[in-house]
Amino acid sequence: GAVVSQHPSRVICKSGTSVKIECRSLDFQATTMFWYRQFPKQSLMLMATSNEGSKATYEQGVEKDKFLINHASLTLSTLTVTSAHPEDSSFYICSASWSQGEDSPLHFGNGTRLTVT
Amino acid sequence: AQSVAQPEDQVNVAEGNPLTVKCTYSVSGNPYLFWYVQYPNRGLQFLLKYITGDNLVKGSYGFEAEFNKSQTSFHLKKPSALVSDSALYFCAVFGGYQKVTFGTGTKLQVIP
Repeated sequence: GAVVSQHPSRVICKSGTSVKIECRSLDFQATTMFWYRQFPKQSLMLMATSNEGSKATYEQGVEKDKFLINHASLTLSTLTVTSAHPEDSSFYICSASWSQGEDSPLHFGNGTRLTVT
Repeated sequence: AQSVAQPEDQVNVAEGNPLTVKCTYSVSGNPYLFWYVQYPNRGLQFLLKYITGDNLVKGSYGFEAEFNKSQTSFHLKKPSALVSDSALYFCAVFGGYQKVTFGTGTKLQVIP
């Protein structure tokens, strides 16, 4: 089945530094990938839609200068949390679908636990 | 606008007993419904989907879901719960490629 790899699974960084999270579709091409943020005991919040070869589409309230998204190829999207602060600590998950059809399920990476100290 | 509701934050069930995790939805047009499971510190895993056809959908790990159009529900079920089924379950409705709405999640606790 379709596999999405997310790296790193866990990262701890100091306040003010930047962290890059990678999301790869291993066995299919994904023209669109999605980035979510999940708070403890809460559902997934869509942060942005990453489109290969073009700018990402951010959801309302998400700072695009803080959460930089790059989708340079059909199999790789990256999320960079710039100048991280403790409030950015969260679980970040990416997803992708091999088809744009409505009946195609999203396939998710295993998530990245970011802790900012 | 589409929406999904999971009315229970947590469901407790004894091992070996049947389990049900509830989901109701609201969409305009035909619903495309999905269930996902999330284990601690992991991403979401696809369980099953309803697009069209039989109202009873079978999925991974022995799970199934029943689509009920009149009640706008898509409850997840399993005849006999396992301790390893303990996880967080999300119902989702897809209303187009970039219109995915997740429920708030239900924590399933299977008690040995």
